[in-house]
Formats: sequence, C-alpha cells, structure tokens
Amino acid sequence: AQKVTQAQTEISVVEKEDVTLDCVYETRDTTYYLFWYKQPPSGELVFLIRRNSFDEQNEISGRYSWNFQKSTSSFNFTITASQVVDSAVYFCALTGGGTSYGKLTFGQGTILTVHP
Amino acid sequence: KAGVTQTPRYLIKTRGQQVTLSCSPISGHRSVSWYQQTPGQGLQFLFEYFSETQRNKGNFPGRFSGRQFSNSRSEMNVSTLELGDSALYLCASTSYRSYEQYFGPGTRLTVT
Repeated sequence: AQKVTQAQTEISVVEKEDVTLDCVYETRDTTYYLFWYKQPPSGELVFLIRRNSFDEQNEISGRYSWNFQKSTSSFNFTITASQVVDSAVYFCALTGGGTSYGKLTFGQGTILTVHP
Repeated sequence: KAGVTQTPRYLIKTRGQQVTLSCSPISGHRSVSWYQQTPGQGLQFLFEYFSETQRNKGNFPGRFSGRQFSNSRSEMNVSTLELGDSALYLCASTSYRSYEQYFGPGTRLTVT
C-alpha cells in the first residue's frame, strides 16, 4: 500500500519569509511519481509539479523549489519570499506507474497562511 | 485548451435520495478519476475510468458507482445518500504521456 505523510498540519509565516513544506512517502513500487498540488479557498486543486522516481534532480520554478531524496523517501517543497497569494492548502501525492497512474494517494495537506 | 469541467457545482440532496455528478475531461485525456474530499478523511480516491472501463477502485461502498462514455466524459452516481456523503467531489483527467493529473473545480454535495 502507498502512503503519504505531511506532518505539518498548519504553517503560519509573515510575507517574504521562506517556508518549506515536508512530504514523506511510502511505496513498494520501483517506479512511481510524486506530485504537489495547491488548493486555494476556491477549492480547485492546482497542479504544481510532477517528479519521477528515477529522476532525483531538484527543480526550481520561480519562487518554488522542490527537493526529492529517495534515500529518505522525501519530496519537500520550498517557497522563497512567500506572498499572501501563496496562502492555500498544499497537498503532496503519489502514484505508481503502469495502469495505476490514475490513482493518486494524497497526504493530509498543509495549511499555509502568509500574513502581510 | 479547456480544462476539466464538472457539473453541477453545488447540490443539496436529502438523505435516501440518489445523485449523479458529471465530469468532462481535458480533450485527449482518456483517464478520468474521482475523489471525495471531507474535512475528516481528506482526499480519498473513489475510482478511475479508462476507455469506458473501471481500471482502479478505491475503498468505498457499492453505493458509489460510475461510468465513462465513448467521448471520455464520466458520471458518478451515489445512491441512498447518507449524511456522511456530504463532501467536495473532485474529478480529474490524466495525460497518459506525462501522468499529470488535472482537476476540475469540484461539486460540493450537501446531504440534509
């Protein structure tokens, strides 16, 4: 069975602070895919990134960066110089390859509040 | 390219009734997945359809069912509604090339 753990239930920061959201996963699959989604108050899940299990290269996209470490089964997400618009619930998710790619296992989510 | 659309956006039903939710995937996506989101249980996978066949199934009772049409549009049905079925139901479509799953705005179901 697959499992995703986001230990931080809520994080509160002041604008311009850097913040890291933690994600730890469990899977027996050798090929798997990790995701981060953002859910603003409107409710729609917004896709942020996908990472393959065979690609441990870190990625940066603007103020967002992701650190994938297979040795610790972690896929952490950092927002640099946070902004009020970053306030949302962030979910980490996992799926296997093959015919199971349509089934995502989500973590419980981290509520991020950025204060002005 | 149009995103995933879901109808209706809001629904109020009475316990014991049944409900049907609809989802239209991104053009070209043949995989459609359904999820239930509640404050207590979080985001839980219901089922996935691919080429009109249920390919993956979550751990939900048989009252929850779905189907997919030849144009990849999907419907989800919940029969004999219970108060605990009140939730945000999210539909997503997946690109088989990238495995990236994109979500619709959701249908918020309230059971009274």
